[in-house]
Amino acid sequence: AQTVTQSQPEMSVQEAETVTLSCTYDTSESDYYLFWYKQPPSRQMILVIRQEAYKQQNATENRFSVNFQKAAKSFSLKISDSQLGDAAMYFCAYRSETSGSRLTFGEGTQLTVNP
Amino acid sequence: DTEVTQTPKHLVMGMTNKKSLKCEQHMGHRAMYWYKQKAKKPPELMFVYSYEKLSINESVPSRFSPECPNSSLLNLHLHALQPEDSALYLCASSHLSGSSRKQFFGPGTRLTVL
Repeated sequence: AQTVTQSQPEMSVQEAETVTLSCTYDTSESDYYLFWYKQPPSRQMILVIRQEAYKQQNATENRFSVNFQKAAKSFSLKISDSQLGDAAMYFCAYRSETSGSRLTFGEGTQLTVNP
Repeated sequence: DTEVTQTPKHLVMGMTNKKSLKCEQHMGHRAMYWYKQKAKKPPELMFVYSYEKLSINESVPSRFSPECPNSSLLNLHLHALQPEDSALYLCASSHLSGSSRKQFFGPGTRLTVL
């Protein structure tokens, strides 16, 4: 069974600084997809970034980038130039072709951005 | 339109009430999902509809009854709920084909069962 682990229940960062959120996963599949979702206090889940396992290049979306290490089964999220609006719960998620539409989520990391 | 909408935003109900949650999307997605989320926890999958047919039921109690009347609408009918069912209920949708099948989430319905 696939599992997703986020080892940092809480993180904090100063505004304008950079922070990295960790995620590891366990799978025997070779074809899968990884996601970072953000859930601010408004509670709406927002897709931040996604990575296809077959792509070697790390995904980037503006200030958000990932460090995808397939052999190590690691998928960390880097937030550059942190803004107050980045404060949220961040969930790492996994989906494989064999799991169909089912997402496996990590337990989440609560990010605080200090002014 | 890249939005999933949910109504109502908040719902308070007694254990003997019958109520329904509604979800709507107009992105042409043929997969729709119901999740239950407790505070500071990840969403837990409840049901998945594929092409308007129930494809996944994660052993959810029968007091929760999903319905997918058409490809844009998803309902969750609630009856005889328990206080422990109080949670945020999230709806999501996605394509059924394509590489990532990324899920788009609605804002949720915060349910309180008294």
